[in-house]
Amino acid sequence: EIVLTQSPGTLSLSPGERVTLSCRASQSVTSNYLAWYQQKPGQAPRLLIYGASSRATGIPDRFSGSGFGTDFTLTISRLEPEDFAVYFCQQHGPAPPWTFGQGTKVEIK
Amino acid sequence: QVQLQQSGPGLVKPSQTLSLTCAISGDSVSSNGAAWNWIRQSPSRGLEWLGRTYYRSKWYNDYAVSVKSRIIINPDTSKNQFALQLNSVTPEDTAVYYCAKGGRGPMVSVFDFWGQGTPVTVSS
Repeated sequence: EIVLTQSPGTLSLSPGERVTLSCRASQSVTSNYLAWYQQKPGQAPRLLIYGASSRATGIPDRFSGSGFGTDFTLTISRLEPEDFAVYFCQQHGPAPPWTFGQGTKVEIK
Repeated sequence: QVQLQQSGPGLVKPSQTLSLTCAISGDSVSSNGAAWNWIRQSPSRGLEWLGRTYYRSKWYNDYAVSVKSRIIINPDTSKNQFALQLNSVTPEDTAVYYCAKGGRGPMVSVFDFWGQGTPVTVSS
């Protein structure tokens, strides 16, 4: 089973700032099948990125994903007020089990 | 647009069975390409994929090792929904349970639509 470790645990930032979140895998992720989700309190996760760098339908282009192998990054170019949330990575390789990182909380400074 | 509507009790007694249902609109549980998953979230275990059901000329299931001896996920084609059954629950099964749709092709394990979540507490 692939273990995903996200860092940092919490980021305190202001609107307009650039954000970089990290997700490291315990072994290489097949075909860079790495997804990112956003979750707000009381809501289900929302898919942002899949295949490491492909944006899901309707996701603003201020969200971008990159990386390969074991190291992946989610970048938000300019934080909007609605972007303060918890972000999770997930590996979506060809076979189960599919695993998630523990999350990074982006909070208002 | 796919929508998933969950239903089921929020309180289950220890050793009993947790049962939840996920009704699908905008797609078919028998869709030859998608997959229908259950995922749970708790402070201690984080987000945990539990299992899925999918149709590829016949029905298949995959389950997480952690619950494999206790879980059943069944499709109900007459109602276009799928159900989770988790037997012999303990307080460690207390979590928010989500149903989620997996995409198609190589994205079948990308969860692009989610139910609203059902908080389930295991307590006597």
